[in-house]
Amino acid sequence: DQQVKQNSPSLSVQEGRISILNCDYTNSMFDYFLWYKKYPAEGPTFLISISSIKDKNEDGRFTVFLNKSAKHLSLHIVPSQPGDSAVYFCAAIPSTSGTYKYIFGTGTRLKVLA
Amino acid sequence: GAGVSQSPSNKVTEKGKDVELRCDPISGHTALYWYRQSLGQGLEFLIYFQGNSAPDKSGLPSDRFSAERTGGSVSTLTIQRTQQEDSAVYLCASSLSGTSGYEQYFGPGTRLTVT
Repeated sequence: DQQVKQNSPSLSVQEGRISILNCDYTNSMFDYFLWYKKYPAEGPTFLISISSIKDKNEDGRFTVFLNKSAKHLSLHIVPSQPGDSAVYFCAAIPSTSGTYKYIFGTGTRLKVLA
Repeated sequence: GAGVSQSPSNKVTEKGKDVELRCDPISGHTALYWYRQSLGQGLEFLIYFQGNSAPDKSGLPSDRFSAERTGGSVSTLTIQRTQQEDSAVYLCASSLSGTSGYEQYFGPGTRLTVT
């Protein structure tokens, strides 16, 4: 039972264009959503987050959008740079867990072409 | 400052042997988490420590898996009688607290291969 889904395993985008990474979830009881970026042979690093009471959060080139009615989360990267090439994981924190246990999606590999 | 470190970075073991994976969290972080990533899968939660106690062990896949944390710092994940399906990257993360400050900092992982 995959509660957090990233249906696109990979995405290629030209440098300077927008990258849009998508994430769907099935549980309405998530408090926070996060995006992590992972380079090969490194652990995931935190990128940006959004509370379930908001619908948008922006940090520089990165914007996360939350559509609660559709149970959909997206990460926009504008403009995309070659250094953004990595695997991106969305994660959710259930409000009922009592702990900050992340539930991760399967990841989307982004390749930004120079 | 030092981040989360894990050792070994790679471990190859024969089926049926026991393995120990180590995690050194960021100094001062009271919460520690273990996850694993199997091929083609997302990161799967295994266990959470707050200090030395483990209030959430719900992700441990079987009784062959155990973990401990001593001195509120270093943690060891032990897999007994390893099986081929245990092959994965095991990731450790820490955060300031398990009940607030939700950003988790991850180590580089230990790649376990069971032959």
